[in-house]
Amino acid sequence: GAGVSQSPSNKVTEKGKDVELRCDPISGHTALYWYRQSLGQGLEFLIYFQGNSAPDKSGLPSDRFSAERTGGSVSTLTIQRTQQEDSAVYLCASSLALGGSRYEQYFGPGTRLTVT
Amino acid sequence: SQKIEQNSEALNIQEGKTATLTCNYTNYSPAYLQWYRQDPGRGPVFLLLIRENEKEKRKERLKVTFDTTLKQSLFHITASQPADSATYLCALPTSGTYKYIFGTGTRLKVLA
Repeated sequence: GAGVSQSPSNKVTEKGKDVELRCDPISGHTALYWYRQSLGQGLEFLIYFQGNSAPDKSGLPSDRFSAERTGGSVSTLTIQRTQQEDSAVYLCASSLALGGSRYEQYFGPGTRLTVT
Repeated sequence: SQKIEQNSEALNIQEGKTATLTCNYTNYSPAYLQWYRQDPGRGPVFLLLIRENEKEKRKERLKVTFDTTLKQSLFHITASQPADSATYLCALPTSGTYKYIFGTGTRLKVLA
């Protein structure tokens, strides 16, 4: 079946603009995660969803970042007033459920964001 | 704070040899540990999970060990092939939450 998809694959934006990044998880996966990967850095956890609920938003780097998930499916990560330090690859992953060791994460290909 | 360290230098080995990658962690007692493979321009792909009560786990040519005393996991690829060339990441769940901490990864290059 189809894997996790993300759009756009690449986004170039000017500093100060808002951007929306989209994630379509695998059908039936109730858990969804967003990560950020900067050059030479590990994956930085941003937020996770169980259904439409995000119980812990402490990983979001600043209040310019927000995320939502609707219908237990598609998720959008929004970055307002983008800054150059926001440039990174944003990765989305989904899993059948939040369950620690029982459910592996399936990652999408990522969105490469460049802020000029 | 909780930290994961992987050798950031690339590892070059000859085809057919065994590659060994290291993941060390501090300030942490994870219930399990995961290894992922990441190819350029793609998202990570899950490979293996090992629990704290397991010393070793195998899957085809892959073997993972987990030493909770040393706070270290070793990832081995036996009979390595050029197709195994990729970056390998280890990941740990933070205690009491569903967040994961990933290492920066080790880039493996298998030379033909």
